[in-house]
Amino acid sequence: AQSVTQLGSHVSVSEGALVLLRCNYSSSVPPYLFWYVQYPNQGLQLLLKYTSAATLVKGINGFEAEFKKSETSFHLTKPSAHMSDAAEYFCAVSLSGNTPLVFGKGTRLSVIA
Amino acid sequence: GAGVSQSPRYKVTKRGQDVTLRCDPISSHATLYWYQQALGQGPEFLTYFNYEAQPDKSGLPSDRFSAERPEGSISTLTIQRTEQRDSAMYRCASSLNPPGNPDTQYFGPGTRLTVL
Repeated sequence: AQSVTQLGSHVSVSEGALVLLRCNYSSSVPPYLFWYVQYPNQGLQLLLKYTSAATLVKGINGFEAEFKKSETSFHLTKPSAHMSDAAEYFCAVSLSGNTPLVFGKGTRLSVIA
Repeated sequence: GAGVSQSPRYKVTKRGQDVTLRCDPISSHATLYWYQQALGQGPEFLTYFNYEAQPDKSGLPSDRFSAERPEGSISTLTIQRTEQRDSAMYRCASSLNPPGNPDTQYFGPGTRLTVL
């Protein structure tokens, strides 16, 4: 069975600082990995996805994530936080391209001016 | 439509009542998913449809929960005899389902269900 662990339910960074949101997964087969963002009162929006091509994946809004098989990790980073990045971020895994997603519990990102 | 829509956005009901939630996916999207998200948790899979077919109902928590998609477009999720533990955000997502490619699931805004 697949599972996702997001370390830290709440992360707080200063504006302009590095954002690092951690995600570790477990899967019996090479997974597909996703990061979604949820802004208040909105649906989940895809930030980026790993599909077994390049291990460094670039997404929207300056975010990127690196797939590290040896560490079973898919951490999300952004070099410089912006106030508009404050939201909840979810890491998810699926076994194949079009199967139900298994989500982590989410990490709420706060950005301090 | 332009995106996935869900209605109602908020629903408050009394314990024991039946509720029906609606999802209108992006037009031409073959696959439709339902997820349940409790407070402080990530979304959890309930069921999904491929057109009208419902290949997987494994996530439905009890036989009080049912879903349908009779014409392969709009879907409804019905909860009978609601209980307080059913209070959650119910999210719908759709995907185009192209062959061979990991597909993006596009999520609606969700329906917040509160059972008193």
